[in-house]
Amino acid sequence: DGGITQSPKYLFRKEGQNVTLSCEQNLNHDAMYWYRQDPGQGLRLIYYSQIVNDFQKGDIAEGYSVSREKKESFPLTVTSAQKNPTAFYLCASSIQWGVSFYEQYFGPGTRLTVT
Amino acid sequence: QKEVEQNSGPLSVPEGAIASLNCTYSDRVSQSFFWYRQYSGKSPELIMSIYSNGDKEDGRFTAQLNKASQYVSLLIRDSQPSDSATYLCAVNSQDNDMRFGAGTRLTVKP
Repeated sequence: DGGITQSPKYLFRKEGQNVTLSCEQNLNHDAMYWYRQDPGQGLRLIYYSQIVNDFQKGDIAEGYSVSREKKESFPLTVTSAQKNPTAFYLCASSIQWGVSFYEQYFGPGTRLTVT
Repeated sequence: QKEVEQNSGPLSVPEGAIASLNCTYSDRVSQSFFWYRQYSGKSPELIMSIYSNGDKEDGRFTAQLNKASQYVSLLIRDSQPSDSATYLCAVNSQDNDMRFGAGTRLTVKP
């Protein structure tokens, strides 16, 4: 089955710790995205990657970092510099970046709680 | 700043009725429009996409687009309790800047 997987589903961390969220897709999509969802707000783009070894900052990249060493994988690191890291994190992919009518498909999400 | 606006709801309809969900957007050059359904605690699931003015039907769902009015809507016919979810409107422009609304929460009462 083709799809996007994210792990873990729930993650708990102490303040001041870095944490890495996994995202893997087997859809052969070039473009991948990380969004953050907070209650009552729309999805906000953290980072996106058009192709392997390339990534760009989104609207709220501060305190986050990513890598794209393989087409299938786009991990997100939430660093201690992120002021309010507790949120629902969603990874998405689309066939290609730059074509507006290509839909984005989402993974199941990771709910991060930092105390 | 490109905006996508939705009424947060909750919108409550009885089972079997038509649910009408609305979305407006600010970027006039937007090209692609999507509706996602998100159940509580789950990730968004794509249910409809529409690219040209008019109606697009898929089963019980109809998406309607009016670019002149910068308005897109989703109609759900014969609403079922299983349709109870938050519906997200997403708008993409030619520079691939996808914007999401905050969503409308729909409750279908048996």
